[in-house]
Amino acid sequence: GESVGLHLPTLSVQEGDNSIINCAYSNSASDYFIWYKQESGKGPQFIIDIRSNMDKRQGQRVTVLLNKTVKHLSLQIAATQPGDSAVYFCAEKGYNKLIFGAGTRLAVHP
Amino acid sequence: EPEVTQTPSHQVTQMGQEVILRCVPISNHLYFYWYRQILGQKVEFLVSFYNNEISEKSEIFDDQFSVERPDGSNFTLKIRSTKLEDSAMYFCASSEHLGQGASYGYTFGSGTRLTVV
Repeated sequence: GESVGLHLPTLSVQEGDNSIINCAYSNSASDYFIWYKQESGKGPQFIIDIRSNMDKRQGQRVTVLLNKTVKHLSLQIAATQPGDSAVYFCAEKGYNKLIFGAGTRLAVHP
Repeated sequence: EPEVTQTPSHQVTQMGQEVILRCVPISNHLYFYWYRQILGQKVEFLVSFYNNEISEKSEIFDDQFSVERPDGSNFTLKIRSTKLEDSAMYFCASSEHLGQGASYGYTFGSGTRLTVV
């Protein structure tokens, strides 16, 4: 069946370091993926997306990598800042919905 | 920047009571969704809505749940007889389209925290 999951529940990094959050998906037919950031008490906030015809997409301080061979997705955050502290979810687009992974908490320490 | 607006931000209700959660999607969006998130867990899909009818619903969305677009701007989720396990954050979302092309503009609201006591 469909599933989107995350390797690590919590990631602690030093301010200024780069962060890498990973995600595995099982539906090889999936063609669109999104990374969301969720701060406490708020809704998921769009960070970056990628289509299956791409391997890499860059935004401002963020990069998403897609490896379709092993069905793996990652979010890289450059020069992590305290404001990046949040829970990060990957989501896979189904026909009429998004299928979310379990989430990784990113904790940024000064 | 356009946003999805949800009211109330927090609702406390007694078990067995009916609740209506309200959402105002982004004005040019055509697809509307409800998701829920039990504390500490992942976001779960409830229902999608397009052209005044349900497109897809999950097994969570049983007969106690219903959605409605009563006018041109609001999108509501009704729970007829709330149970303790309905306590969760409920997120409304809207998107431009589901087909190929742009990034859909899939946008979430800030959520309504429902507490059933």
